[in-house]
Amino acid sequence: KAGVTQTPRYLIKTRGQQVTLSCSPISGHRSVSWYQQTPGQGLQFLFEYFSETQRNKGNFPGRFSGRQFSNSRSEMNVSTLELGDSALYLCASSPQLAGQYEQYFGPGTRLTVT
Amino acid sequence: GQQVMQIPQYQHVQEGEDFTTYCNSSTTLSNIQWYKQRPGGHPVFLIQLVKSGEVKKQKRLTFQFGEAKKNSSLHITATQTTDVGTYFCAGVPGNGQNFVFGPGTRLSVLP
Repeated sequence: KAGVTQTPRYLIKTRGQQVTLSCSPISGHRSVSWYQQTPGQGLQFLFEYFSETQRNKGNFPGRFSGRQFSNSRSEMNVSTLELGDSALYLCASSPQLAGQYEQYFGPGTRLTVT
Repeated sequence: GQQVMQIPQYQHVQEGEDFTTYCNSSTTLSNIQWYKQRPGGHPVFLIQLVKSGEVKKQKRLTFQFGEAKKNSSLHITATQTTDVGTYFCAGVPGNGQNFVFGPGTRLSVLP
């Protein structure tokens, strides 16, 4: 089976811009979760989508949003970018809800905001 | 709020020495998972523990889930340079729904 893929792998944006990141889960996986990873804050949960519905949401401002399509592919969007949004954004897929089964992580998208 | 803590934050060991990282939650966890992230890589699932007091082994790695399901540990016997990385515990608190990761323990192994 192909692993979790994320595009793009690297991205440089300017403050105030918006960005959309994409995640393709492992075939057959219905859950996609997004995480923000920074050196200071570790792995922070953003949200989880399961069968096109947002099931859980972490403690992030409304500028962070996401969606999941019928083929389980997911996108996350960050509007009005701030310098502090610079991070590695990881998505993870799982056959069922995160926490019930192991999660498979993608390689991440490294976002730099200047 | 719900927090999952890990100690130590960093650990430097000589190759061949043992290593242990501890994970503690403020509330009961329904289960606990452990992940390893190599430098420059992404987290990779190691194991899941579900039952109170459960112990599982994977070669040189031993995982334990506390009786109260609030803590867990990962012990590596005779570390090797391939063990280098950050080890995260993660779980869903019994009264919550979000999957929470601990801050991780970064292991360095000196040859």
